[in-house]
Amino acid sequence: DIQMTQSPSSVSASVGDRVTITCRASQGISTWLAWYQQKPGKAPKLLIYAASNLQSGVPSRFSGGGSGTDFTLTISSLQPEDFATYYCQQANSFPRTFGQGTKVEI
Amino acid sequence: QVHLVESGGGVVQPGKSLRLSCAASGFTFSNHAMHWVRQAPGKGLEWVAVISYDEDNIYYADSLKGRFTISRDNSKNTLFLQMDSLRVEDTAVYYCARDVNDLGDSHFDYWGQGTLVTVSS
Repeated sequence: DIQMTQSPSSVSASVGDRVTITCRASQGISTWLAWYQQKPGKAPKLLIYAASNLQSGVPSRFSGGGSGTDFTLTISSLQPEDFATYYCQQANSFPRTFGQGTKVEI
Repeated sequence: QVHLVESGGGVVQPGKSLRLSCAASGFTFSNHAMHWVRQAPGKGLEWVAVISYDEDNIYYADSLKGRFTISRDNSKNTLFLQMDSLRVEDTAVYYCARDVNDLGDSHFDYWGQGTLVTVSS
């Protein structure tokens, strides 16, 4: 199975800050990576697919990058509604695996 | 618009069975693979299973060891998850999610609101 490791596990930030979350795969997955945002009590929401493609309707302050084993999710200017937990997920092979999550908090 | 609604969750004793459903609307259900993903209380997301549009391709998480069965009824736009020999550690919110593709080899663009399964004596 492909292991996905996110860092940091949590990050404290302020409105307007630039935040970067990293995700590392235990083996190469090309660009078969997605990022999801989850708020408490809600279902996850797709933000980024194929490592760097912004899902329709997602604000342009979100961006993704990377390929192979190392990936990033960047929020260029943190907004109040961005405080949430973020997960990466590999779509290269089964079983699908998620990172452990990164909580973005004040 | 795309709508996924899970049902069938509840409290069940260890060793018992439960069947979850996911009713889909707003899109052509038979054109998409579907997944189940679960989340234990306070924990991260765990992928459970996937079924292709035509049921020909099915995969499960290794940890389930044959206790869960995913299926679908394209005539009723409904996805199912049969869960047998339930364990306390199966306690979680179970989400259904739509795959962008028909074979299940891509990302999940829509999720349901989830249904809570609690396994407890």
